[in-house]
Formats: sequence, structure tokens, C-alpha cells
Amino acid sequence: QVQLQESGPGLVKPSQTLSLTCTVSVDPISSGNYFWGWIRQPPGKGLEWIGRIYTNGGANYNPSLKTRVTMSIDTSKSQFSLNLSSVTAADTAIYYCARETIWSGYDYWGQGALVTISS
Amino acid sequence: AIQLTQSPSSLSASVGDRVTITCRASQDLNNALAWYQQTPGRPPKLLIHAASTLEGGVPSRFSGSGSGTHFTLTISSLQPEDFTTYYCQQFYDFPLTFGGGTKVEIK
Repeated sequence: QVQLQESGPGLVKPSQTLSLTCTVSVDPISSGNYFWGWIRQPPGKGLEWIGRIYTNGGANYNPSLKTRVTMSIDTSKSQFSLNLSSVTAADTAIYYCARETIWSGYDYWGQGALVTISS
Repeated sequence: AIQLTQSPSSLSASVGDRVTITCRASQDLNNALAWYQQTPGRPPKLLIHAASTLEGGVPSRFSGSGSGTHFTLTISSLQPEDFTTYYCQQFYDFPLTFGGGTKVEIK
């Protein structure tokens, strides 16, 4: 059973950078035909795809966030990370990390991390 | 970006009812569409991928169909645990996008 767990600050000040890490139980993370993705959901609203990263570090980002998003992966630690810069209140959301079976769907998800942007 | 329009946005039904949710895409997706179920406080759960392939462990009362721009999720006989929210997601082109969601409520 694959397990994912998000970690990071629950409160970030406006204009600062939101940083989250996802730890995956699968060892090694580099095995298999998977992408590792981030999806967010403002409280009470729908889902927004942020982007995904492959084990070689190649990433795809949502153009609506592209200038502010950076993803990285550390296969030795079975972790991948999200950085979102210059945050505003509009970035307040539950942030999920998830595994994508390539082009098929996100089949394993973390429990989600609520990140609030507030001074 | 490809727009996905789900309809209805909400519906009321009873246990045992047959329910169909529609997801329309702004361009041809071939069959690159997935369906998720999300209960409050929980992450989405993948039900169906490639428009009609049921994930392992998902009850057979769930089914998906469609191709091109028109897709449906059908629940053949609603059970109490099915009263929650459903989303479609396209995997045809970047950015990957979700539909706005359909909330299934108890009548």
C-alpha cells in the first residue's frame, strides 16, 4: 500500500514562499511509471492541478501558477517538494500530494495539508 | 486550457436510485478522463480512469462511459455512502484540469 504524507508550515505570511514536502512510503520512489503531483483545494471549493514531477526531475506546471511554482524530487529520501512564491490570500487551500499513474489518474493521495496565507 | 463542465452541479436522489453525472469537455479528449469521489475532510478517491476502466476495489455499481467531448459517470443503485461529491479530470493536455464537481444529496 502506497502512502503519501504532506509536511510543512500551516501558516505563511503574504508575499512569502509556501514550501511543502511529500514523503512517499514506496522505496524507491523512482520505480514504476509514475508522476508525482500536487493538487490544491480552497476550503469549500473545487480542485486545481498545480503540477507534477517525474523521477528525473522533469516537471509540468499549471500556466496559471507557472511563474511562482517550483517542484523538486529527492529519490534517495522518497520525497518530492513544492515551492510557491509570492503567496496571497488566494493561495489559502488544502494542498494534496498524489501519485499519478502516467496519464491515467491520481490513484494515491496524501491526507492534505491546510495552508493559510495570513499576516 | 481545456474546460470541463459537469452537470448537474448538484442533485437530490434516494437510496437505490440510478444517477448519471455528465462531464463535457471543450475539446476532444479521446478517452483521457478520470472520475473521483470526495467525501468531506478526505482526499479524492480515484474511481475510474481512461473514461471507463474501474479502479480495483471500486464497487461495480459505478461505471463510466463516453469519449471525445462527452462523458458520463453512472451509479446504478445509490448507497448511503455514495452521497458525496464527484469530480472529473482530463489527462489529454496541459494543464490537467478538473470539472467543477457534482454534489449528490439525499432527497
